[in-house]
Formats: sequence, C-alpha cells, structure tokens
Amino acid sequence: QKEVEQDPGPLSVPEGAIVSLNCTYSNSAFQYFMWYRQYSRKGPELLMYTYSSGNKEDGRFTAQVDKSSKYISLFIRDSQPSDSATYLCAMTLQGAQKLVFGQGTRLTINP
Amino acid sequence: ETGVTQSPTHLIKTRGQQVTLRCSSQSGHNTVSWYQQALGQGPQFIFQYYREEENGRGNFPPRFSGLQFPNYSSELNVNALELDDSALYLCASSLLAGGPGADTQYFGPGTRLTVL
Repeated sequence: QKEVEQDPGPLSVPEGAIVSLNCTYSNSAFQYFMWYRQYSRKGPELLMYTYSSGNKEDGRFTAQVDKSSKYISLFIRDSQPSDSATYLCAMTLQGAQKLVFGQGTRLTINP
Repeated sequence: ETGVTQSPTHLIKTRGQQVTLRCSSQSGHNTVSWYQQALGQGPQFIFQYYREEENGRGNFPPRFSGLQFPNYSSELNVNALELDDSALYLCASSLLAGGPGADTQYFGPGTRLTVL
C-alpha cells in the first residue's frame, strides 16, 4: 500500500465548475501538507501549504486537512482553462524535508 | 519562475551508460533535493544534500549518487543505466533542512532522461 493515495483521474469539468481533488494517507506522523500544480513539461509549482487540520484559503483555492481521517482536499472555485494541469498532493514529517507525493490527478477545464 | 534551473532539458542514453544531470539552486538556498518522476506518477525522493553533505536518502540503489557544490550547483549521477531509469528528474532547492517546520521546496523544470 502506498503511503499517499491519489485518484489519477483524468478529471474533466466545464469552465466555472467547482473542482474537488483529494488524497488519503496512511502515516499519521505526517504534519505538513502541500498541493503542487504541474503543467506539461514543467516542474511542480507550490500552490498551497498547510500544517494543522482545518481549512486554508488563497483566492480561488481552498486546502482542507482532516488529520483524524488522514484525508486532504483541494477545492478550486470558478475553475478556468488555465487551471488545466496535473495536481499533486505532497506531505512531509515534522523536521524532515523528504516530500512524499501522491500519484497526481490530471485535470482539464473545458471552455 | 523559481530560479532553479536544470540541464540538459532532454537526454537519451543506452542501457549500461552513465549520466550526469545538473541543477542550479536558487541563490542562498543551502539544501537541494532530487526526485525521480516516472510517467504518470508522482515524484519519488532520491536524496537530499545540505551544505555539501548527503542528508537523507530514499529507496534508490547506490548507483544513484550526488554532489553539491558551494556555488549552489549540484549534480545527480546515475551509473549502469537501466531501462526503468527513464523518467523526469527534478531538483528542488530550499533554505533550511530539518528544523521545526517544513520549508518550501522550489522545483526546477526537470531533465527528461530516456534510456534505450
């Protein structure tokens, strides 16, 4: 069993829709949770970074962490075609730098 | 742009050969991590260097080795290439290693290695 599970999709939604991306994890020691966006032929770009359980909002993006359920989510409101990319969840232990990634979800926003 | 650059962009090698990939970290960042990303998968941690010393290693064999230099550049070397080594190799730089909180890692664009 992988430490971090993420539905690879692909996920295709119309422009303006609310998108929900999710990851589950097995290691309860993970303390820091991140979402990266990766465009084709590019390196991952950090979108959101959270530490504690709860919600964190940044513009159209909301990251949600539920440590009791070992479940994290990323919500994208008013989705745009420019949001089409692969979204990777990642997490790490406190004091460590090794990032453990999910498989990535390929998202397409259709105009 | 993250300020992290990698070279070359693409590389084709044959099985059994050796390869060196290069990374230039963001200025002032003393930590570099290398990841391997197979097609359709998330990145897998190879190892990390902090102030020119290895500071953690993932589940990769010894034929994967690295170097970090004082000028914020680093190398990933892979010996005895195998077909399964075909992947996108990413480096990521950050300011601190360890400590009480995770530090932001800034990724480069990657080097796509194909092993024939």
